[in-house]
Amino acid sequence: EAGVTQFPSHSVIEKGQTVTLRCDPISGHDNLYWYRRVMGKEIKFLLHFVKESKQDESGMPNNRFLAERTGGTYSTLKVQPAELEDSGVYFCASSSWTSGFQETQYFGPGTRLLVL
Amino acid sequence: AQKITQTQPGMFVQEKEAVTLDCTYDTSDQSYGLFWYKQPSSGEMIFLIYQGSYDEQNATEGRYSLNFQKARKSANLVISASQLGDSAMYFCAMRAGGYQKVTFGTGTKLQVIP
Repeated sequence: EAGVTQFPSHSVIEKGQTVTLRCDPISGHDNLYWYRRVMGKEIKFLLHFVKESKQDESGMPNNRFLAERTGGTYSTLKVQPAELEDSGVYFCASSSWTSGFQETQYFGPGTRLLVL
Repeated sequence: AQKITQTQPGMFVQEKEAVTLDCTYDTSDQSYGLFWYKQPSSGEMIFLIYQGSYDEQNATEGRYSLNFQKARKSANLVISASQLGDSAMYFCAMRAGGYQKVTFGTGTKLQVIP
């Protein structure tokens, strides 16, 4: 079974440009999460999809970030226009629905974004 | 709000020795779950172990065990018989309340010395 995949693995862009990150969750996983780790800091939650619906987007930093999950399959995270502080590693995670707290989220390898 | 604190930015351990990675947490919720993830240099986050707040016994998974001390709000990861492949970043994390999002600590970089 394929794990969570993310594309691209690395992206270097200039301030003001647009970047789109893609995440393909594990097949059959309804839950999809985006997280971000800025250098040296903790990994922070951005948002959570259940199928194609945004369940929780409380972690989205501002309206320059737009996440979509068309058809409840893969998800994209667009940053437009990118700013220097957007640099970091963007992780995607997915999980199948389980009750309680023992829902294991499976993470992708991340996309390393550098904004110059 | 939930908070995870990992006070050890880096640790060294001799191969075959045991090592404890510290984690303390803060939450006002009575129900929560605690996780440890491993991130090798390749970048992926690998789930290691889970402990529920109502679990009476410490969780164990192979060489990994979680030393859960609820009153102290600590959830330390113990790795027994360290191997070179254990060298990685280790993140403590928590889910609490009605939220599915996971709150992470800043991580501990573990290096296993031959």
